[in-house]
Amino acid sequence: DGGITQSPKYLFRKEGQNVTLSCEQNLNHDAMYWYRQDPGQGLRLIYYSQIVNDFQKGDIAEGYSVSREKKESFPLTVTSAQKNPTAFYLCASSIRTSFDLAGELFFGEGSRLTVL
Amino acid sequence: KNQVEQSPQSLIILEGKNCTLQCNYTVSPFSNLRWYKQDTGRGPVSLTIMTFSENTKSNGRYTATLDADTKQSSLHITASQLSDSASYICVVSEAGTALIFGKGTTLSVSS
Repeated sequence: DGGITQSPKYLFRKEGQNVTLSCEQNLNHDAMYWYRQDPGQGLRLIYYSQIVNDFQKGDIAEGYSVSREKKESFPLTVTSAQKNPTAFYLCASSIRTSFDLAGELFFGEGSRLTVL
Repeated sequence: KNQVEQSPQSLIILEGKNCTLQCNYTVSPFSNLRWYKQDTGRGPVSLTIMTFSENTKSNGRYTATLDADTKQSSLHITASQLSDSASYICVVSEAGTALIFGKGTTLSVSS
């Protein structure tokens, strides 16, 4: 079945450590996204990528980094510079990058990061 | 500022009852409005997408309405089931630019 796979599901990190969240899709989608979800808040865009080897900052990119070396993969690194990294992270993909009708988002199951 | 406001914040209903969730937005220019269902600890799943010209769209027991003039949308759930317990998120597309997410309505269906 086609879909988006995120790993790990749960991750614990000590302060000062970088961690990388994996996101893989087999939907042959061009665009991929990372969102952060906090209790009582709407999803916020961290980074998005329209094509391989290209990515753009979202609304809350500080303290995060990404790469897009393959169409199927869009890993997110949470660096030690992120002041409040504890959150639920969601990866998504869409056929095209337009946020209009053609850009329906398909989400992964999420990764919950907890900083100890 | 483009915003999406959802109400109520949370709702508890008995199994088998109907309910309606509200979404008001100030996003402009408007492209489309989406409703997602998110089970606890999982990723959102799309229920409907509506463009400017669509007033109503159904997906099984879920019916979404859109009034682009008043910038309001509703999601009606008919004959609720325990599996409907989830967070329902309204998302509005600012034409070709961004997706604006609401904070969601948490629905609990009890037996």
